[in-house]
Amino acid sequence: GAVVSQHPSWVICKSGTSVKIECRSLDFQATTMFWYRQFPKQSLMLMATSNEGSKATYEQGVEKDKFLINHASLTLSTLTVTSAHPEDSSFYICSAREGPYNEQFFGPGTRLTVL
Amino acid sequence: AQTVTQSQPEMSVQEAETVTLSCTYDTSESDYYLFWYKQPPSRQMILVIRQEAYKQQNATENRFSVNFQKAAKSFSLKISDSQLGDAAMYFCAYRDLYSGAGSYQLTFGKGTKLSVIP
Repeated sequence: GAVVSQHPSWVICKSGTSVKIECRSLDFQATTMFWYRQFPKQSLMLMATSNEGSKATYEQGVEKDKFLINHASLTLSTLTVTSAHPEDSSFYICSAREGPYNEQFFGPGTRLTVL
Repeated sequence: AQTVTQSQPEMSVQEAETVTLSCTYDTSESDYYLFWYKQPPSRQMILVIRQEAYKQQNATENRFSVNFQKAAKSFSLKISDSQLGDAAMYFCAYRDLYSGAGSYQLTFGKGTKLSVIP
């Protein structure tokens, strides 16, 4: 089956620093990847849709200058949280679209803690 | 815009028993997909079952089956012979069959936390 990895699985950083999260499709090429944010005991909130070779489409209310998304290849998308602050602490999940049903296959998530 | 509603924040079931999780949705589309995803404590999202709206037959996957009522816009998940490993958050999700923007975005419900009692 389609496998999506994320790195790192968890990260702790100081306020004001930037953090990069990688999302890779391991056994397929993904023209579209998605980035979600999930707060404790809540549902997934779509942050942005990333298409290979083009600018990401951000959902309303998501600061594109704060959450930089780059989808430079068919197997890699990155999310950079710039100048992170404690309120950016959350669980970030990526997914990649693949297959005849255009299903989303999810990565294992990255827990970001900003001190 | 499409919406997905899960009215049961929490449910519990005895091991080996059957439980049904509810989901309703709203859309003006006639062709779409519906999904149930499981998110165990590891937080890895796992696809449980998929239903194409153009298929009248309810989808089944081993112990998991759905009751898809298109006219009522209802999509419930039945878990038979519940096992301890079924304990998780369950999310109902909707997706248009065709995406004009080519994005195929999912709309998720708020989730139902299922506990399995030994």
